[in-house]
Amino acid sequence: GQQLNQSPQSMFIQEGEDVSMNCTSSSIFNTWLWYKQEPGEGPVLLIALYKAGELTSNGRLTAQFGITRKDSFLNISASIPSDVGIYFCASRSQGGSEKLVFGKGTKLTVNP
Amino acid sequence: NAGVTQTPKFRILKIGQSMTLQCTQDMNHNYMYWYRQDPGMGLKLIYYSVGAGITDKGEVPNGYNVSRSTTEDFPLRLELAAPSQTSVYFCASSYPQGSNQPQHFGDGTRLSIL
Repeated sequence: GQQLNQSPQSMFIQEGEDVSMNCTSSSIFNTWLWYKQEPGEGPVLLIALYKAGELTSNGRLTAQFGITRKDSFLNISASIPSDVGIYFCASRSQGGSEKLVFGKGTKLTVNP
Repeated sequence: NAGVTQTPKFRILKIGQSMTLQCTQDMNHNYMYWYRQDPGMGLKLIYYSVGAGITDKGEVPNGYNVSRSTTEDFPLRLELAAPSQTSVYFCASSYPQGSNQPQHFGDGTRLSIL
C-alpha cells in the first residue's frame, strides 16, 4: 500500500530555533496535509496543500507541496514552547479516494 | 461549536467483552472515519463512511464493525475485545473530496484491553 516516510522521527531543539521536517513517498499524491497533535487531543490541521509547487504559510509555519507530488516539507520558524507536539503529514491519493494516508509523525520537544 | 465528539474518553475492558465507541458530528459532514493510533505510529484507517447507510473497510478493519444510520453518528463496535485492540481511537469527519475540505478529528477514546 501507499506509505509516507516522515523524518525526522523526533527533534529536540532550543526555543527560538527553526525547525524543518519532511515527508516523502514513492507514490504521487493530490493533497498534502500537515497536522499537529498535542497530548490527549486529536490531530488539528495546520496547513493544507492542493497543488504541486504550492507554498503556504500559517503564521510561523510554512509548508510546500513538492513539484514531483511525492514530497512535502513543514518549517517552523522561531520555535516557542507551545510548538511541542507530534506533527503528522497526511496525503490523499489519486482516483477520488477519500482515504488519507498518514506518516508516523515527528515528535518535537522545545527546551525553554 | 462542538465539532466531532467522541465518548467515552477512557475505557478499560476485559478480554472478550464488547463495547461501542460513540462518535457524533454537528457539521453536517457526509464523510466520517474511524482511525486507531498506536504508540509511535501514525493513524491507521479502520472503517469509513461516505454517507448514511454506506460504510467501507479501511486498512485495519478486522475485529471491528460500524454502522451509519444517520449523518451525525458513526459508532464503532468491538464485539470480542482482544489485547491487540488496546489503542487510542479517533473519529473524524469531512465534506466530500471535491470541496477540498480536510478532515476534522475528535479528541480520541483511550481503550485498554486487559
